[in-house]
Amino acid sequence: EVQLVQSGAELKKPGESLRISCQGSGYTFTNYWIGWVRQVPGKGLEWMGIIYPGDSDTRYSPSFQGQVTISADKSISTAYLQLRSLKASDTAIYYCARHHLVDDTDNWFEPWGQGTLVTVSS
Amino acid sequence: QSVLTQPPSLSAAPGQKVSISCSGSSSNIGSNYISWYQQFPGAAPKLLIYDTYKRHSGIPDRFSGSKSGTSATLDITGLQTGDEADYYCATWDSGLTAGGVFGTGTKVTVL
Repeated sequence: EVQLVQSGAELKKPGESLRISCQGSGYTFTNYWIGWVRQVPGKGLEWMGIIYPGDSDTRYSPSFQGQVTISADKSISTAYLQLRSLKASDTAIYYCARHHLVDDTDNWFEPWGQGTLVTVSS
Repeated sequence: QSVLTQPPSLSAAPGQKVSISCSGSSSNIGSNYISWYQQFPGAAPKLLIYDTYKRHSGIPDRFSGSKSGTSATLDITGLQTGDEADYYCATWDSGLTAGGVFGTGTKVTVL
């Protein structure tokens, strides 16, 4: 069974940094992109960026470029999302998902991790 | 701010049909494939449709996807109470800063 398991909920103070992990299993981790999606409570889904663990090729949404860093350690089949200088507006659920990208015309996410709730509060 | 626009909410009675629209542009829906996701409160989204028309494994044929020009549609026929959820479209945007985009989301209520 293909599965993505994310790290647990986090409570952080403004200005702190955070790294969320997403471990894949049940498939060849280096053969598929992994993507990150943000969902602010009560709001919609936002495409943040993707990484191809095989060669670390990474693409970011303009909305998140420079604000976050996506990385991967293929030796442990784990992708990471790093958030810096956290603000209250970063409070959200962050999902990882296996991302299928075909010829830069076709893309979908499946399956999804369970989500990691990040709360930023003083 | 999403580049794909969906109606915020739709409602219909059990057994009826609901059509969720997703409006974009020539650089996204107009030239790329669409996927659709279902999300229940407190849960992660689930893939319903990919490649614009194809149902993901285990998804009943009550769910179907289509596209015309720069708009896409998810149809749900034979609406059931268990279909009450949020639905999101998504596609690739081939503009200057290529990347994926999601729709604004639609809350479907079964009356």
